[in-house]
Amino acid sequence: KNQVEQSPQSLIILEGKNCTLQCNYTVSPFSNLRWYKQDTGRGPVSLTIMTFSENTKSNGRYTATLDADTKQSSLHITASQLSDSASYICVVSAPRGSTLGRLYFGRGTQLTVWP
Amino acid sequence: SQTIHQWPATLVQPVGSPLSLECTVEGTSNPNLYWYRQAAGRGLQLLFYSVGIGQISSEVPQNLSASRPQDRQFILSSKKLLLSDSGFYLCALQPGTRGAEAFFGQGTRLTVV
Repeated sequence: KNQVEQSPQSLIILEGKNCTLQCNYTVSPFSNLRWYKQDTGRGPVSLTIMTFSENTKSNGRYTATLDADTKQSSLHITASQLSDSASYICVVSAPRGSTLGRLYFGRGTQLTVWP
Repeated sequence: SQTIHQWPATLVQPVGSPLSLECTVEGTSNPNLYWYRQAAGRGLQLLFYSVGIGQISSEVPQNLSASRPQDRQFILSSKKLLLSDSGFYLCALQPGTRGAEAFFGQGTRLTVV
């Protein structure tokens, strides 16, 4: 069964600290993996997107890693800010044109940054 | 660039009333379209996805239905709302390009009273 599991479910850190969020998936075949940030009451916004051939991708203070062999990804946030408080969602997609052709969402990690 | 329009932003409906949420997209053709629901404090739950006009796949049995009358229009409906239908509904699109990024609407906050 195609699934995306994220951990931890929630996380509280102090401003300025680093944190790492985890994503494990069983989606096969695999096209790409994305991390989204969702502020409360808003739609998710893309942070990074990686194909199976990419191991690391950075977007400012956000760095995503991907191990396609073990089907694991992580999102590392450096020097956290209060505005980083949000839900972070891992999304895995199957190749378009396959019988799947759809997105698989994790349930998200709720990050809270305290001053 | 692709844009996605979803309305209304908020909606309060009585139990037993009908529902129609509309999502339209621009700047792309033949996209994959999705309806998600997010209950308070929970992750995104896939309700329906569509790979083309008239093609709807349902992920979970429920009180809702979806239709795609046009390539860039995706509608979420219910004949009679239940209290449990309350939640945050998101429309998403994946453009017709292999490996393309997914885009989300701003969501509809539905409260059934």
